[in-house]
Amino acid sequence: EPEVTQTPSHQVTQMGQEVILRCVPISNHLYFYWYRQILGQKVEFLVSFYNNEISEKSEIFDDQFSVERPDGSNFTLKIRSTKLEDSAMYFCASRSRGQNTGELFFGEGSRLTVL
Amino acid sequence: GNSVTQMEGPVTLSEEAFLTINCTYTATGYPSLFWYVQYPGEGLQLLLKATKADDKGSNKGFEATYRKETTSFHLEKGSVQVSDSAVYFCALSDRDTGRRALTFGSGTRLQVQP
Repeated sequence: EPEVTQTPSHQVTQMGQEVILRCVPISNHLYFYWYRQILGQKVEFLVSFYNNEISEKSEIFDDQFSVERPDGSNFTLKIRSTKLEDSAMYFCASRSRGQNTGELFFGEGSRLTVL
Repeated sequence: GNSVTQMEGPVTLSEEAFLTINCTYTATGYPSLFWYVQYPGEGLQLLLKATKADDKGSNKGFEATYRKETTSFHLEKGSVQVSDSAVYFCALSDRDTGRRALTFGSGTRLQVQP
């Protein structure tokens, strides 16, 4: 069964460093998302991406964050200068055109720890 | 804005017990409702959905009915198994507003004991 894959599974970084989290969505999917979950808290929406541009973003997704689809398969989330409060599990998700906007396929997540 | 409220966990049950996890929502439009499940060490998986009032979503023995009058979407299962131990998230997607992305509840951890 096709799945969304994410790398790395866990990254530890120093405050102020840049981090890139990578995702390979399901191959025929056209809509891509990043969510995050701070330990013990809600899963929060960060950004959605379609047709090579951001279609929606939350208040969390400030100038420190960016997303990119550098080639036909990868979808990346970059945090330019990490803060302690960026420590969280980051989930990538994707869906196809015919699916309901809420029917997403999630990856297993990338845990980011900022020291 | 949109929001989802779930009962706090953990919920601890014995195998074959009846499960209810409460979920209520607030939405400005007419949302679609979802339950997602996260098994240990895995990502979130769609468990079931309902897109209009009185729809019942069902999957793997779990059910939830979209109740517009009470703005609720409670998850139920008649007889839980140890393998159902996971975190369950209620969520909504509101196509009528500018925010189409999923809004999640805080999650409810279910622990089923043999």
